[in-house]
Amino acid sequence: DVKVTQSSRYLVKRTGEKVFLECVQDMDHENMFWYRQDPGLGLRLIYFSYDVKMKEKGDIPEGYSVSREKKERFSLILESASTNQTSMYLCASSSLVGRGYTFGSGTRLTVV
Amino acid sequence: GESVGLHLPTLSVQEGDNSIINCAYSNSASDYFIWYKQESGKGPQFIIDIRSNMDKRQGQRVTVLLNKTVKHLSLQIAATQPGDSAVYFCAENKETSYDKVIFGPGTSLSVIP
Repeated sequence: DVKVTQSSRYLVKRTGEKVFLECVQDMDHENMFWYRQDPGLGLRLIYFSYDVKMKEKGDIPEGYSVSREKKERFSLILESASTNQTSMYLCASSSLVGRGYTFGSGTRLTVV
Repeated sequence: GESVGLHLPTLSVQEGDNSIINCAYSNSASDYFIWYKQESGKGPQFIIDIRSNMDKRQGQRVTVLLNKTVKHLSLQIAATQPGDSAVYFCAENKETSYDKVIFGPGTSLSVIP
């Protein structure tokens, strides 16, 4: 069964902390994505990557960075967590440009 | 700007009835459309997709209809079951493009036993 695995389901961090959200896929997909999901705002793209060591900004990259050192792993980094980054974070991957995504189960991050 | 939207934010149906979830899109260049299901506490799950050269595609208990004339997409669920209760998202993009997928805001489907 193909999988996108996010390292934590729930996370509580303090304002100003550096936060790492990890995502690993076992499908040998080229493309990986990070979204955040908020009530009333839907899914918003933070960053994406179409290849190892490659990254592109999405719609809301401010306050975030990413790392893709290996094909299967795509990390989202909150450089200095703030309360407005409290959200559900979803990682996704896909094999082909423009095709359907496989999502992880999400990480619900609370910044206090 | 370009957007994908849903007509109904919530939908309640009786168990055993058919459900219809609607979606409007505005980007006429989009040629690939997807429906996702998101259960509480989980990530979205791919249900069914359709390309713009088709009007209809059927899966197991689900049918997606595409009307390019009015830029409308619908998901029909036959004999709705309690396990179908979830939020349903439509998504659109241009299949051969690196442009990002645009997700609709979602419709919450509640199945009444």
